[in-house]
Amino acid sequence: EPEVTQTPSHQVTQMGQEVILRCVPISNHLYFYWYRQILGQKVEFLVSFYNNEISEKSEIFDDQFSVERPDGSNFTLKIRSTKLEDSAMYFCASSETGTVNEKLFFGSGTQLSVL
Amino acid sequence: SQQGEEDPQALSIQEGENATMNCSYKTSINNLQWYRQNSGRGLVHLILIRSNEREKHSGRLRVTLDTSKKSSSLLITASRAADTASYFCATDGSGATNKLIFGTGTLLAVQP
Repeated sequence: EPEVTQTPSHQVTQMGQEVILRCVPISNHLYFYWYRQILGQKVEFLVSFYNNEISEKSEIFDDQFSVERPDGSNFTLKIRSTKLEDSAMYFCASSETGTVNEKLFFGSGTQLSVL
Repeated sequence: SQQGEEDPQALSIQEGENATMNCSYKTSINNLQWYRQNSGRGLVHLILIRSNEREKHSGRLRVTLDTSKKSSSLLITASRAADTASYFCATDGSGATNKLIFGTGTLLAVQP
């Protein structure tokens, strides 16, 4: 079965540093998403992306965050100046068309630790 | 309570027993989905039930949806040790995209 892949699996960074989390969505999918899960808490929506632009974003997704599809396969999440509270598991997901009544396919996540 | 609250928060059962998890939500939905997460791993889609459906089956999984009560239940029959995981319900948010709002999750432990 096709998979969403994420790299790296773990990322440790110093507060104030920039990080880029990478994802390769399933090849024929059109909608891409980032979610995060702080340890012991809910999985939270960050942003959705379609046709090379942000479709929707949450209040968590402030100016420190950006997303990009630099080529035909990768989808990245950049955090410009990391804070301690950005420590979380970040999940990339994709879906075929982004319509309602459609399931999402999630990657295994990148565990980000900000020191 | 938040959109998507599961109960119980944790459930421990013996192999072979059935496990039932419940989810409540607050707003109107188009569908409700259940996902499973093994420790430290990504979420895996289990089943989707549309708002006009009342019950759905997939293998050992049975999902019910009561839109009048804004609640859903997930039943896993004849549980196995490999079913040990966290289970989350997720509802679709408003708007045109398939944004999901996840619940708090139920941690299921199946003892061999």
